Amino acid sequence: EAGVAQSPRYKIIEKRQSVAFWCNPISGHATLYWYQQILGQGPKLLIQFQNNGVVDDSQLPKDRFSAERLKGVDSTLKIQPAKLEDSAVYLCASTGGTYNSPLHFGNGTRLTVT
Amino acid sequence: QKEVEQNSGPLSVPEGAIASLNCTYSDRGSQSFFWYRQYSGKSPELIMSIYSNGDKEDGRFTAQLNKASQYVSLLIRDSQPSDSATYLCAVPTAGGTSYGKLTFGQGTILTVHP
Repeated sequence: EAGVAQSPRYKIIEKRQSVAFWCNPISGHATLYWYQQILGQGPKLLIQFQNNGVVDDSQLPKDRFSAERLKGVDSTLKIQPAKLEDSAVYLCASTGGTYNSPLHFGNGTRLTVT
Repeated sequence: QKEVEQNSGPLSVPEGAIASLNCTYSDRGSQSFFWYRQYSGKSPELIMSIYSNGDKEDGRFTAQLNKASQYVSLLIRDSQPSDSATYLCAVPTAGGTSYGKLTFGQGTILTVHP
């Protein structure tokens, strides 16, 4: 089965610019997650979608971050305006339909804000 | 207190030795525990999951869980240079509805030298 697809792999922007990341989960996976991993730390959940609805966005900095999953398949995460502290790897992941389905990560997008 | 704590290392062991990685967690209600391996520049991949007290073995990997003491460990026997990576401990986030909503420790860097 094809894995979680993400693009771009790398992005360098200046602070106050905007950026968007794209994710296509494993086919049939209803639940999609965006995690942020700052260098030297473990991944931190930003937002969880179930189909096209948001389940949990309590950790998403909503003043600058937004995410959507309009058709319940692929998803976009946007940052506007970016800050230096947003430099991180943004990991998309998905799980299947049961509680104990394991988490499958994409390769991530490495964002550098200068 | 952090929800999931790991010694960030680095932990250095010689090839063929046993590597021991430890993790403590704060939520006494946690029922499931996961170990992810993350190679440099790559995304995390699930290598072990454990749900009940005691040991779970999978090849050269053994996960040990002690709920009374709130710690989980990962032992890697006959360590190989290819085991050099960051090992992340994770537990389902309190109130989460699936194994995809995880709280990760900061990871332990393991280096296996020939």
